[in-house]
Amino acid sequence: DGGITQSPKYLFRKEGQNVTLSCEQNLNHDAMYWYRQDPGQGLRLIYYSQIVNDFQKGDIAEGYSVSREKKESFPLTVTSAQKNPTAFYLCASCYSGGTVNEQFFGPGTRLTVL
Amino acid sequence: AQSVTQLGSHVSVSEGALVLLRCNYSSSVPPYLFWYVQYPNQGLQLLLKYTSAATLVKGINGFEAEFKKSETSFHLTKPSAHMSDAAEYFCAVRPVNTGTASKLTFGTGTRLQVTL
Repeated sequence: DGGITQSPKYLFRKEGQNVTLSCEQNLNHDAMYWYRQDPGQGLRLIYYSQIVNDFQKGDIAEGYSVSREKKESFPLTVTSAQKNPTAFYLCASCYSGGTVNEQFFGPGTRLTVL
Repeated sequence: AQSVTQLGSHVSVSEGALVLLRCNYSSSVPPYLFWYVQYPNQGLQLLLKYTSAATLVKGINGFEAEFKKSETSFHLTKPSAHMSDAAEYFCAVRPVNTGTASKLTFGTGTRLQVTL
């Protein structure tokens, strides 16, 4: 079955450590996105990529980094520069053809900084 | 920048009652609009989307939404709530003059509680 996988589901990190969240899709979608979700704030866009080897900052990119070396993969690194990284992280992808396509979401990774 | 406002962070209805979740957008040009549902500790699932083809849009699980340009609204409704509808609902917007894979802007969400 096609879909988006995120791993791990739960992640614990000590302050000062970098961590990488995995996102893989087998939907053959060109575009991929990373969102951060905090209670009462909805989803906020961190980074997005519309094509391999290219990505753009979203609204809250500071303290995060991404790469897009393969169409299927869009890993997110939460660096030690991110002051408040505890949150629920969601990855999404979207087909670029057509006119109005929805984003498909993975199950999320919950990151907790200890 | 375009935005959406979801009035009411929490809505509680009785099982069998009408569900009404509100979404208003801010744009002089009607955008594309989406409603997503999120169950606890899960990702988002698309309920329905407005693409300008029809103002009344039917989605999954018995939900529908009506686009009203005069009110800049895209409220989500369901005639009869079920316990399984308890979840968080997000409205999202995308400008029409951007690419298909352009970013969405999400509202802050409305948590729906369904009581017996």
